[in-house]
Order: sequence, then C-alpha cells, then structure tokens
Amino acid sequence: DTGVSQNPRHKITKRGQNVTFRCDPISEHNRLYWYRQTLGQGPEFLTYFQNEAQLEKSRLLSDRFSAERPKGSFSTLEIQRTEQGDSAMYLCASSLALTPEDTEAFFGQGTRLTVV
Amino acid sequence: GIQVEQSPPDLILQEGANSTLRCNFSDSVNNLQWFHQNPWGQLINLFYIPSGTKQNGRLSATTVATERYSLLYISSSQTTDSGVYFCAVDLQIYSGGGADGLTFGKGTHLIIQP
Repeated sequence: DTGVSQNPRHKITKRGQNVTFRCDPISEHNRLYWYRQTLGQGPEFLTYFQNEAQLEKSRLLSDRFSAERPKGSFSTLEIQRTEQGDSAMYLCASSLALTPEDTEAFFGQGTRLTVV
Repeated sequence: GIQVEQSPPDLILQEGANSTLRCNFSDSVNNLQWFHQNPWGQLINLFYIPSGTKQNGRLSATTVATERYSLLYISSSQTTDSGVYFCAVDLQIYSGGGADGLTFGKGTHLIIQP
C-alpha cells in the first residue's frame, strides 16, 4: 500500500487556463475527499465521493470546479478559467468506511497550484 | 457549521521540552483526528481519537467528547517535531457519516529549537 498519491505535485498556470489534478486513493478505500488549503489556514472541505457517487459539495466549490471519480477508483479535479484566487494547495484524502462512524482519513502530498 | 479552535496558535520550545496542544470544538462529533503537517505540506496522521486516550511513543492524545475538547501531548520534543499540528473533526449529520468531511482548526505552529 503506497498511500494516497496526487499528481502533479506542483502546477503553475496562467490566469484563464484550465487545469486538472489527479488523485489515486489507497486501494479499496471507498471514500475520497478533496480539500483546499491556503497559506496559514487549515484545509477546507470541497467535495466527497462514496465510490463513484459525488455526495456532497461545499459552497467553496464554484461552478468552475468539477470533480469526477468515474470508476470509483482515482479521481480528477478540474478548474476551468483559473483565477489568481485559486492559488492554493489542493489535497486529496481517502478513507475506508466499514461502519458509518469509521471515517479516518489519509491524505496525499497535495498539488500546489500557482495562478500567475 | 461546527467551529474548531486550536491553541496556542504558535509555540516555541527548546529541544527536550514537553508541550500540550489543545483543540476545542463546538458540537458533538463522531470522529477527531490529529495531524502533523510537514514542511512539504504532507498531512501525517498522528491519532484517530473520537474519545479516550491513546499513546504512540513520545506522543499521546486525549479526547473528552462530553466536554468537547482534545489534547495532544508531545514529550521530550525534538527538532523534527517542528511544523503545524492540526485538529480536525467529523460532524456526522447523516446516517452514512462523513457527509461534510473533516472540519479543521487553524493549527498550532510549533518550533523546536536545538
């Protein structure tokens, strides 16, 4: 088990461009989460998948953001028409929820996005 | 939504000292986790502790769910303990759990000086 893997680790893009990030969760984990972290703050929840179903979205997830988990395994997060305010660390986490109370999350290394 | 407050926000200690980090939360929670964020941004799991006490080497944690707080103890600090420590809680509002993910505090920035 290699843990949660995120690619790329760093991304620099020009304002207005689209970017896509990938997250590979721990194998057999049925839950996958995306978070965003800005400087000096704790991570903030963006969205969550149970297998392939996207079950929850935060108000932070504007319509320029879209996330998919097509086969219940890896997930992608796309940001369209990037803005400077999108610059942040994007973190992915996964958990194996055998019971409703068991949601211990494990995080990837993150993708640091810089919009110039 | 649920509020998570961590204290102190910053802590500077000499190597070998002990420290206590506190996390207060505003509502009943099902899960609570402590993380250490290293300089590269990786969140390292320290404890999954919705209630009770756990120990792992020089670190231990206690959560008193009925009083809505958790404490992280670090003994005999080492320079490698430096970084940001986050407390995060999971407010289970649906029977399926984990509906809103984790809510994080702002962290405690710990600096251990040699």
